[in-house]
Amino acid sequence: KQEVTQIPAALSVPEGENLVLNCSFTDSAIYNLQWFRQDPGKGLTSLLLIQSSQREQTSGRLNASLDKSSGRSTLYIAASQPGDSATYLCAVCSGNTGKLIFGQGTTLQVKP
Amino acid sequence: DADVTQTPRNRITKTGKRIMLECSQTKGHDRMYWYRQDPGLGLRLIYYSFDVKDINKGEISDGYSVSRQAQAKFSLSLESAIPNQTALYFCATSAPGQETQYFGPGTRLLVL
Repeated sequence: KQEVTQIPAALSVPEGENLVLNCSFTDSAIYNLQWFRQDPGKGLTSLLLIQSSQREQTSGRLNASLDKSSGRSTLYIAASQPGDSATYLCAVCSGNTGKLIFGQGTTLQVKP
Repeated sequence: DADVTQTPRNRITKTGKRIMLECSQTKGHDRMYWYRQDPGLGLRLIYYSFDVKDINKGEISDGYSVSRQAQAKFSLSLESAIPNQTALYFCATSAPGQETQYFGPGTRLLVL
């Protein structure tokens, strides 16, 4: 059974820092891995999707990497801003059914 | 207007009551999903549907039922609500071949 873990559960950094969020999964036979952002009172917003054949994806200040052999993904946020404060969720899709297994999330606070 | 809408946004009910949560989408996607989110546990899949005639159980379907009334509408019912069904419920959609899921804003449910 696929299990997804995110560490740390919470993180607080000063504005301008570069930071890394971690995601690990137990079964390397994945279809894709996705990173989402969740703001209070709102739904989840997809940030990046990495196919199983890819090593990384980039969007603006965000870069997500995938290492299937070690069961790990990282989300790198460059030059963090207070507007980046949110909960970041990692989710693994193990087949083309679209079914996602989510990690518990990392709540990020960026202080001005 | 939002692509994925959920009603109600907040609901308080009593143990034993039957309630329905509704989801509508204007994205024209075939696939729809219901998740629940509990503090510290991430999101877990309740039910998913690939089209009006294809409905499948997720990992935590006990105590829930669903109805896919049309391509654009997917409802979640709690037949007899219990306090441990207190959670944040999300609806999501996706299109075959496009693995990104689009989430509604969520329904916060409190069962007393």
